[in-house]
Amino acid sequence: AQSVTQLGSHVSVSEGALVLLRCNYSSSVPPYLFWYVQYPNQGLQLLLKYTSAATLVKGINGFEAEFKKSETSFHLTKPSAHMSDAAEYFCAVTLSGGSYIPTFGRGTSLIVHP
Amino acid sequence: KAGVTQTPRYLIKTRGQQVTLSCSPISGHRSVSWYQQTPGQGLQFLFEYFSETQRNKGNFPGRFSGRQFSNSRSEMNVSTLELGDSALYLCASSLGAVRSGNSPLHFGNGTRLTVT
Repeated sequence: AQSVTQLGSHVSVSEGALVLLRCNYSSSVPPYLFWYVQYPNQGLQLLLKYTSAATLVKGINGFEAEFKKSETSFHLTKPSAHMSDAAEYFCAVTLSGGSYIPTFGRGTSLIVHP
Repeated sequence: KAGVTQTPRYLIKTRGQQVTLSCSPISGHRSVSWYQQTPGQGLQFLFEYFSETQRNKGNFPGRFSGRQFSNSRSEMNVSTLELGDSALYLCASSLGAVRSGNSPLHFGNGTRLTVT
């Protein structure tokens, strides 16, 4: 069975600073990995996805994530935080074939200070 | 293209009642999945329908059920409501077959259910 761990339920950064949100997964087979963002009172929106084509994945709003198999990690980064990036971020893993049940991390709340 | 639409946005029910939530997927999407989001348990998978058939089910009691219609619209029903059922219920649709595993989910804005 797969699982996802997001380190840090809250991350606080200053506007213009680097954003780093951590995600580690466990999976018995190569996974598909996703990052989603949730703004208040809204559903989740896809930021980016890893499907084995490239280890560095670029997403929307300047975010990117790097798949590191040796570290079983898929950390999300953005070079310069903007106030509008304040939201809840979720890492998710799915496996191909068989019983498909997407598994989400507990989420990381990104706080951006002016 | 219109996004995923969930109705109603808010619901207040009493313990013991039942409730039905509705989800209209993005046009052309055949997969609809449902999730429960709570502060304590996070985001948990309820079940998924593809071409009117339930393909997967999460670890929830039988009080939680769903169905999908021929136009891909889906409904979720919760019977004999309990206080612990208070949550944000999210619906998501996806384009590809869910067994592929790599189809991103497109979420609606959810239905906020409060059980008193």
